Amino acid sequence: QKEVEQDPGPLSVPEGAIVSLNCTYSNSAFQYFMWYRQYSRKGPELLMYTYSSGNKEDGRFTAQVDKSSKYISLFIRDSQPSDSATYLCAMTSTGGGNKLTFGTGTQLKVEL
Amino acid sequence: GAVVSQHPSWVICKSGTSVKIECRSLDFQATTMFWYRQFPKQSLMLMATSNEGSKATYEQGVEKDKFLINHASLTLSTLTVTSAHPEDSSFYICSARDSGRGAGNQPQHFGDGTRLSIL
Repeated sequence: QKEVEQDPGPLSVPEGAIVSLNCTYSNSAFQYFMWYRQYSRKGPELLMYTYSSGNKEDGRFTAQVDKSSKYISLFIRDSQPSDSATYLCAMTSTGGGNKLTFGTGTQLKVEL
Repeated sequence: GAVVSQHPSWVICKSGTSVKIECRSLDFQATTMFWYRQFPKQSLMLMATSNEGSKATYEQGVEKDKFLINHASLTLSTLTVTSAHPEDSSFYICSARDSGRGAGNQPQHFGDGTRLSIL
């Protein structure tokens, strides 16, 4: 079993839809949670960074962390074709030299 | 803020040559940088952690003599793929963590990657 599980998709939604992306994890030591967006042939771009459980909102993006369930989510409101990319969840504990453990990434396509 | 620049973005070279990739943090200092490799439609695989002024820490299975890492300043780390062969062809990505913003767990910011093709 992988430490971090993420549905690879592809996920296809119409423009304007609300998108829900999710990751589950098994290591209870993880405390810092990130979502990155990666366009084809580019490096990952940090979207959201959260510590411990709770919600964080930034524009059209909302990140949720439920440590009791070991489950994190990223919601995208009013999705746009420019949101079409691969979304990677990543997490780390306080130790471990800040090494990140990544999900496999979910490929999202927002269609006109 | 938090911009990481990686150069070159794409390189093609003959088998047996060595290739150097640079990773720079443009607007922050980074005592720690990370080097990843990514295969098509797969997630990032950590190769090594680059520490300013000291030796890099390599992940299990990564040949340190094959992938030479130098982190000579707080804003620059380099990865040299020595005697490259076709199986080294891949997408190499660096990341850096802002070490000037207090201890612990600042997020990693990534460069745009280097596509390496060995003929």
